Amino acid sequence: EDKVVQSPLSLVVHEGDTVTLNCSYEVTNFRSLLWYKQEKKAPTFLFMLTSSGIEKKSGRLSSILDKKELFSILNITATQTGDSAVYLCAVERGGSNYKLTFGKGTLLTVNP
Amino acid sequence: DAGITQSPRYKITETGRQVTLMCHQTWSHSYMFWYRQDLGHGLRLIYYSAAADITDKGEVPDGYVVSRSKTENFPLTLESATRSQTSVYFCASSEIRARPQVSGANVLTFGAGSRLTVL
Repeated sequence: EDKVVQSPLSLVVHEGDTVTLNCSYEVTNFRSLLWYKQEKKAPTFLFMLTSSGIEKKSGRLSSILDKKELFSILNITATQTGDSAVYLCAVERGGSNYKLTFGKGTLLTVNP
Repeated sequence: DAGITQSPRYKITETGRQVTLMCHQTWSHSYMFWYRQDLGHGLRLIYYSAAADITDKGEVPDGYVVSRSKTENFPLTLESATRSQTSVYFCASSEIRARPQVSGANVLTFGAGSRLTVL
């Protein structure tokens, strides 16, 4: 059974702090890992990672994948209150039957 | 409007009633999905569809029925609602490719969600 474990489950920081969110996984026939941000509504896509060691970056957010150790991290630098959200990690299995397994998410709260 | 829309956004029903949640997408994506989201469980896949008239079970399909007669619509029916089906339901769609490096492929886009309460 495919498994995605995110840590920590919740995190409270102050504006300006840097945070690192973790996602470890076990999946048969790995194809990609995706990060989503969920505020009080639908998840929105952040990054897709398919290759080890290549950093994806968008403004203050960046992510990297380690396919050997089966984990990914999502970094947010100079956090802002607008970064407060649940961050979801999902892993896609390749092959003939599509499957995407989500972790339970990390709730990030950024206080002013 | 382009995108993926769900209706109703909020629904309160009683145990034993039939409820249908609607999902409509305008991108002609081949794949569509239904997820439920509950505290402590994250997003769990109920059913998905790879194309019109092709559907398959996800992780938690019991008590749900889906159909996909047209590419753009993917309704989810609770035939006899139970309290345990109180949840937020998300519909999503995507193109799925063997090589997801194709821009936009394999990225699920979610609807706004339908909050269902079963009394």
